[in-house]
Amino acid sequence: GENVEQHPSTLSVQEGDSAVIKCTYSDSASNYFPWYKQELGKGPQLIIDIRSNVGEKKDQRIAVTLNKTAKHFSLHITETQPEDSAVYFCAPTWSSGSEKLVFGKGTKLTVNP
Amino acid sequence: DAGVIQSPRHEVTEMGQEVTLRCKPISGHDYLFWYRQTMMRGLELLIYFNNNVPIDDSGMPEDRFSAKMPNASFSTLKIQPSEPRDSAVYFCASSPGQVVQPQHFGDGTRLSIL
Repeated sequence: GENVEQHPSTLSVQEGDSAVIKCTYSDSASNYFPWYKQELGKGPQLIIDIRSNVGEKKDQRIAVTLNKTAKHFSLHITETQPEDSAVYFCAPTWSSGSEKLVFGKGTKLTVNP
Repeated sequence: DAGVIQSPRHEVTEMGQEVTLRCKPISGHDYLFWYRQTMMRGLELLIYFNNNVPIDDSGMPEDRFSAKMPNASFSTLKIQPSEPRDSAVYFCASSPGQVVQPQHFGDGTRLSIL
């Protein structure tokens, strides 16, 4: 099965700085790479995803980059704001017909005003 | 779009009691997932359904846990008898399916077993 690791487990930045979270996976067959954001008292919500035929995807202040050779992908948040404070999860998976996502342990991001 | 709806939001009950958690997925979504979240184990998939049929229940911890999906708009997760170690936040999620698609999560049920 997929072995997923996220680093760092906690990250504290000043408002306006950039934040980067890295996700390493073990299954070379993985071809779908989403990032979820979980705010306090809420369920995880998808913020950005990428498929294996693309190396990078950007949506305003957030971006995801994929390195399939090294089996890792990263979440980049620029110009961080206090509302970016949350727990972020990666969930790499293989779209073989199984819809299972294996979630990383999460990264708690704190943006200090 | 109403989103995935879970009830109750909070449940406190005594050990040995039966607990039933409920979920209404997004209309038109073919897949429904039940997760459990704890500090120690993170977010774990318990079971998922496709078109109301259970596909993979390998994450269900033991026979005390059962899940049903009698129709496309309703699912239950039942624990009988409940134990203190079942205390966690339980999430339901749904997705359209057809090649891995984003999962849409409800806001969860916080379960405390005393």
